[in-house]
Amino acid sequence: SQTIHQWPATLVQPVGSPLSLECTVEGTSNPNLYWYRQAAGRGLQLLFYSVGIGQISSEVPQNLSASRPQDRQFILSSKKLLLSDSGFYLCAWSGGTGAYEQYFGPGTRLTVT
Amino acid sequence: AQRVTQPEKLLSVFKGAPVELKCNYSYSGSPELFWYVQYSRQRLQLLLRHISRESIKGFTADLNKGETSFHLKKPFAQEEDSAMYYCALVGAGNMLTFGGGTRLMVKP
Repeated sequence: SQTIHQWPATLVQPVGSPLSLECTVEGTSNPNLYWYRQAAGRGLQLLFYSVGIGQISSEVPQNLSASRPQDRQFILSSKKLLLSDSGFYLCAWSGGTGAYEQYFGPGTRLTVT
Repeated sequence: AQRVTQPEKLLSVFKGAPVELKCNYSYSGSPELFWYVQYSRQRLQLLLRHISRESIKGFTADLNKGETSFHLKKPFAQEEDSAMYYCALVGAGNMLTFGGGTRLMVKP
């Protein structure tokens, strides 16, 4: 069966420090991969999605970036964190075209101090 | 552009009372709509989709194209229904657009 992992589960980072969040999927090939941010009272915001290795689409301009070095690995990064980057980050995957159901990871709680 | 609106951030009801979580959407094409749920300390997961016309955990949702709504309903709320509920729409580019979410609290 398919599983999705995220780490770390929680992270406290100072302003200006770099960030790397990792997401991996098991049990499926060529998934679509997504990064969301869940901010209190603001719902789910799609940050990036990827339909294949090296293919990244950005939905919201910001100081975050994403990379997909392997088929089932999706990384969210920042060179310099801002206070406004604090939030709960969710990774999700879905099947090929037309498979609209997305499966979410456990999330990473990021606090920028 | 597609948009999903959940007007209530918090909905509090007593156990056994009916519950309706509102969802309105705007989309020029033919939408596919979903409800996702996140229970405390659990992952966000799909609850139901409009094309299935199914009832999950006693919840139903009917797509009303005239009113551009997809409200989630349950006739008798249970304490275990307390969770965060998100309405979502699939539109252009096969992307899911989520609403802001409604936190449902069912009191004993």
